[in-house]
Amino acid sequence: DTEVTQTPKHLVMGMTNKKSLKCEQHMGHRAMYWYKQKAKKPPELMFVYSYEKLSINESVPSRFSPECPNSSLLNLHLHALQPEDSALYLCASSPTLITDTQYFGPGTRLTVL
Amino acid sequence: GNSVTQMEGPVTLSEEAFLTINCTYTATGYPSLFWYVQYPGEGLQLLLKATKADDKGSNKGFEATYRKETTSFHLEKGSVQVSDSAVYFCALRDVTSGTYKYIFGTGTRLKVLA
Repeated sequence: DTEVTQTPKHLVMGMTNKKSLKCEQHMGHRAMYWYKQKAKKPPELMFVYSYEKLSINESVPSRFSPECPNSSLLNLHLHALQPEDSALYLCASSPTLITDTQYFGPGTRLTVL
Repeated sequence: GNSVTQMEGPVTLSEEAFLTINCTYTATGYPSLFWYVQYPGEGLQLLLKATKADDKGSNKGFEATYRKETTSFHLEKGSVQVSDSAVYFCALRDVTSGTYKYIFGTGTRLKVLA
């Protein structure tokens, strides 16, 4: 299994909702990443986990809350989002934090109303 | 700081035309360089990479050579197909400078016409 899966593919939520994005990989990778990508822009790094511990938080607002319950799974919990948070949310993984290549999932298209 | 500059798009070519997408970089250490491709509605896929000067990355007919003297990593393909239509991102990652982030260029949209 050489892929990163993300669910759901699309998500529409109101500003008062709580929702979660899920990312899974079974490649034995120990580093996992969340990126945010706005239309016609490159991905922007949000969070990095290494061996299930949060290593990097790129000054992301607290309405985004990451969680890494085990080495295969990465969640992003969403609460009280704003319309400007609408974007494609990409998950990626790599064998370790210092390994060059990251493998990306297909993304979750999030719309905040 | 580290940065990546890509040519502005969109680039529109006819099928079987030669493709070049320019990419130059600025880095304080010894970065690895990447080209990622994003097809419509999808995530990023690694197209090719090079980890040191003079390395050539290649995949699916695409090539790029790590040129330290010109700080460039231009993407080329001899004959493009309609299926190559996508957004191409040049990126660097410089672990030696203590950061693990990818630095992405702004992306170049390629449209290939039949």
